[in-house]
Amino acid sequence: GENVEQHPSTLSVQEGDSAVIKCTYSDSASNYFPWYKQELGKRPQLIIDIRSNVGEKKDQRIAVTLNKTAKHFSLHITETQPEDSAVYFCAVPSMYSGGGADGLTFGKGTHLIIQP
Amino acid sequence: DAGVIQSPRHEVTEMGQEVTLRCKPISGHNSLFWYRQTMMRGLELLIYFNNNVPIDDSGMPEDRFSAKMPNASFSTLKIQPSEPRDSAVYFCASSLNRDSDFGSGTRLTVV
Repeated sequence: GENVEQHPSTLSVQEGDSAVIKCTYSDSASNYFPWYKQELGKRPQLIIDIRSNVGEKKDQRIAVTLNKTAKHFSLHITETQPEDSAVYFCAVPSMYSGGGADGLTFGKGTHLIIQP
Repeated sequence: DAGVIQSPRHEVTEMGQEVTLRCKPISGHNSLFWYRQTMMRGLELLIYFNNNVPIDDSGMPEDRFSAKMPNASFSTLKIQPSEPRDSAVYFCASSLNRDSDFGSGTRLTVV
């Protein structure tokens, strides 16, 4: 099955600085790479995703970069704000079923702390 | 849209009892997923369905776990008999085009 490694497990940055979270995966056939944000006691929520036909995607202060050759992708958050504090998860499809969406294999998560 | 609806929100049960978790996916979504979240193991995929058909149940931990999707608007995850190590938050998610929407989860405590 798919293996996803996520680093770091905890990241503390000053408000206004940038944060970068990295993930590596094992199955080169993967072609969909979402990132989820989970606030304490809440459900995971999709914040951005990238398909394998592009190398970078940006949405306001967040961006994701993908390197398919190296099998890694990263989440970038610029101008961090207190409300960015949460646990962030990367994910990769666990298998390719050929029909409909596929279940996700998640990284272990990164606890992002924004220091005021 | 009300989103993915899960019930109950919290469940406390005694070891050995049967537990049934319920999920109503977003209308029109054709894929449904059950995940389990614990501090030790993180978010794990248990089973998922496409068009009500189970596709991959390799994540189901033991035969004590079973899941059904009798129609496009309802799914259940059953644990029988339950054990303390089953204590976790169980999330249901649904999807139409890859992007999954999660429900608020069921926090299960087995004592």
